[in-house]
Amino acid sequence: DTGVSQDPRHKITKRGQNVTFRCDPISEHNRLYWYRQTLGQGPEFLTYFQNEAQLEKSRLLSDRFSAERPKGSFSTLEIQRTEQGDSAMYLCASSLAPGQGEPYEQYFGPGTRLTVT
Amino acid sequence: AQSVTQLDSHVSVSEGTPVLLRCNYSSSYSPSLFWYVQHPNKGLQLLLKYTSAATLVKGINGFEAEFKKSETSFHLTKPSAHMSDAAEYFCAVGYSSASKIIFGSGTRLSIRP
Repeated sequence: DTGVSQDPRHKITKRGQNVTFRCDPISEHNRLYWYRQTLGQGPEFLTYFQNEAQLEKSRLLSDRFSAERPKGSFSTLEIQRTEQGDSAMYLCASSLAPGQGEPYEQYFGPGTRLTVT
Repeated sequence: AQSVTQLDSHVSVSEGTPVLLRCNYSSSYSPSLFWYVQHPNKGLQLLLKYTSAATLVKGINGFEAEFKKSETSFHLTKPSAHMSDAAEYFCAVGYSSASKIIFGSGTRLSIRP
């Protein structure tokens, strides 16, 4: 399967612990996005990368959140000192960049569901 | 600023009847508009997109949407609902530079047998 993959699919952690999620985009896609989705809401944008450069971060991305894409391929999203309010589905998406072709379609992975107890 | 309003949080229709999911947008630029579907415990799947070409957009699974600039609307329709259409549907707007997408709060579609 050549779609976007995310690992793990589910994570249960205790408040105060650190967690890290991984996203592997579609291989030819230069852009990678992270979104957060809480119950009953639409996804909210967190940040995105073009290759290894992080081009935009939402105000939702507090200092406890950090995202990396060191080699321009897979990305990690780390949450430090988790809080109960961090419980959500974390979605990753990838797309072509302008100039690569049709840039508008973001392809989403299945998400990582985080539960903070 | 760009935003999306999905006018119904829940729509219920009988199998075989038409589906209408309503979406209004606000955008300072020529928008790119999308409809995504999310089945339980699954990721988002793109149904269709509008990117300043034809105003009537056909998508997968028999869905289509019409971009109406004068009404700032992008409603999703399907002539005949199928049980497998039961899911959460999200309308979304994007910038032309293809960075972030702004999603609506979703419409849950239920199909009655």
